Amino acid sequence: EAGVAQSPRYKIIEKRQSVAFWCNPISGHATLYWYQQILGQGPKLLIQFQNNGVVDDSQLPKDRFSAERLKGVDSTLKIQPAKLEDSAVYLCASSLNSALGSPLHFGNGTRLTVT
Amino acid sequence: AQSVTQLGSHVSVSEGALVLLRCNYSSSVPPYLFWYVQYPNQGLQLLLKYTSAATLVKGINGFEAEFKKSETSFHLTKPSAHMSDAAEYFCAVSLPNFGNEKLTFGTGTRLTIIP
Repeated sequence: EAGVAQSPRYKIIEKRQSVAFWCNPISGHATLYWYQQILGQGPKLLIQFQNNGVVDDSQLPKDRFSAERLKGVDSTLKIQPAKLEDSAVYLCASSLNSALGSPLHFGNGTRLTVT
Repeated sequence: AQSVTQLGSHVSVSEGALVLLRCNYSSSVPPYLFWYVQYPNQGLQLLLKYTSAATLVKGINGFEAEFKKSETSFHLTKPSAHMSDAAEYFCAVSLPNFGNEKLTFGTGTRLTIIP
């Protein structure tokens, strides 16, 4: 089966610019996650979707970050405007459902550098 | 709230030697515990998980982990290290939540294999 696809792989922007990341989950996976992984830290959940509805966005900085999952398939994560501290790898993951027996499948991530 | 602590951000072992990566958890109720591996420039891959069944859990690539409630630990071991085991390893914890469990990751341990 095809894995979780993310693009772009790398992105360099200046602070105050905007940026968008795209994720295509594994076909049939109802649950989609966006994680932020800052260098030297473990991934931190930003937002979780179940189909096209948001389940948890408690750690999403909503003043600058937004995410959507139209039609319950692909998802985009946007940052506007970016700050230096947003430099990180943004990982998308999907699972068949949100139950614990359903493992997360991760994409290779998008490495964002904000200068 | 649940959390995990990984002791040692960097571990080096010789090829063929025992691998031991330490993880301690904090949780008010019996948790679910996971180990993930991340190879350079890739996403995370599930190695193994504990979900309140057998306390000794076997995973992929010859790894295993033992849940010890008395020590609040879930250390990852492999009897004989291989060069291909060089990667970053993350311990993660989740609490049962009626099908809406969320993972909290540790800060990771980078494993280096010495030829």
